[in-house]
Amino acid sequence: EPEVTQTPSHQVTQMGQEVILRCVPISNHLYFYWYRQILGQKVEFLVSFYNNEISEKSEIFDDQFSVERPDGSNFTLKIRSTKLEDSAMYFCASSPGQVMNSPLHFGNGTRLTVT
Amino acid sequence: RKEVEQDPGPFNVPEGATVAFNCTYSNSASQSFFWYRQDCRKEPKLLMSVYSSGNEDGRFTAQLNRASQYISLLIRDSKLSDSATYLCAVKRSNYQLIWGAGTKLIIKP
Repeated sequence: EPEVTQTPSHQVTQMGQEVILRCVPISNHLYFYWYRQILGQKVEFLVSFYNNEISEKSEIFDDQFSVERPDGSNFTLKIRSTKLEDSAMYFCASSPGQVMNSPLHFGNGTRLTVT
Repeated sequence: RKEVEQDPGPFNVPEGATVAFNCTYSNSASQSFFWYRQDCRKEPKLLMSVYSSGNEDGRFTAQLNRASQYISLLIRDSKLSDSATYLCAVKRSNYQLIWGAGTKLIIKP
């Protein structure tokens, strides 16, 4: 079964540094997402991406965050200047199409630790 | 009021028992509903979509009550491997899933 893959599985960085989290969505999917989950808290929506542009973003997704689909397969999340509170699991997800009840398929996540 | 609410549990249930939990949502414009399960420090995995007429997948039954704005998940003949956190997710646009905080289920031998 095709999967969403994320790298790295764990990233440790110092406060103020830039990080790039990478994702390879399922190949025939059209919608891509980033979510995050702070330890012990609920999953939170960050951003959705369709047709090479952001379709929706949350309040969390401020100017420090950006997304890119640099080629036909990768989908990246960049945090420009990390803060301690950015420490979380970051999940990439993709879904196949515009049908409202298309479920999302999640990658294994990247654990980001900001020290 | 949170947009999607779940009883955090934990629900401690003996193996073989039936367990059910609900998830309420506040936005009547919500369109699609899902149950995911999440194991500790892992990604959410889709358990089942929830359809208007209710649907069943093996030991799992999901129901939607639009009038009262809740969805439910019933697990029959529970197994030790069912121990996890069950997340309710609601789609109110084509793009964004709103998540409940999850209900923790512990199946005891």
